[in-house]
Amino acid sequence: EPEVTQTPSHQVTQMGQEVILRCVPISNHLYFYWYRQILGQKVEFLVSFYNNEISEKSEIFDDQFSVERPDGSNFTLKIRSTKLEDSAMYFCASSEALGSAAGGGGSVPDTQYFGPGTRLTVL
Amino acid sequence: AQSVTQPDIHITVSEGASLELRCNYSYGATPYLFWYVQSPGQGLQLLLKYFSGDTLVQGIKGFEAEFKRSQSSFNLRKPSVHWSDAAEYFCAVGRRRGADGLTFGKGTHLIIQP
Repeated sequence: EPEVTQTPSHQVTQMGQEVILRCVPISNHLYFYWYRQILGQKVEFLVSFYNNEISEKSEIFDDQFSVERPDGSNFTLKIRSTKLEDSAMYFCASSEALGSAAGGGGSVPDTQYFGPGTRLTVL
Repeated sequence: AQSVTQPDIHITVSEGASLELRCNYSYGATPYLFWYVQSPGQGLQLLLKYFSGDTLVQGIKGFEAEFKRSQSSFNLRKPSVHWSDAAEYFCAVGRRRGADGLTFGKGTHLIIQP
């Protein structure tokens, strides 16, 4: 069964350093997402990506964050200058397109499938 | 904006007993509803989802959930739990259009007693 993969599983970095978290979505999926889960808290949406551009982002996703699909298989989250409060589990997710939305608004995403996560520790 | 409430932080159930995990959502239109399970150190695995149609949906591992619009609820049930069901369970809501992020509840930690 195809699955979302993420690397590394654990990343330790110093405050102020840049980190790149990598994800390989399921191959036929068109929508990609990043979420984070601070220890003991709920999963929070960061950003969604479709057709090579950001579709939606939360208020958490500020200028220190960026996403990229550098090739046909990878989807990355970059944190430009990490802060202590960026320590969290970061989940990538992907979903395929269901088809045309009502009213001709283009395709809509199907169920989101999550990767195993990358635990980021900022020291 | 949508929100999800899972009122029970922890639930302890004896192995073989029935289970119901509560989820209430707030959203102005008909939502997409999901239950995910997270085992320690693992990612989020989809248990089941509701998009439309029959309000009682069946999922993997013997779980089911019922969408009740009048109560804004989507409670998860299982008739007989197994020790392997011990995990964190998250209810989530999504909007029906666009590549929108899901809104998750805070989760319910399920403990199985032998």
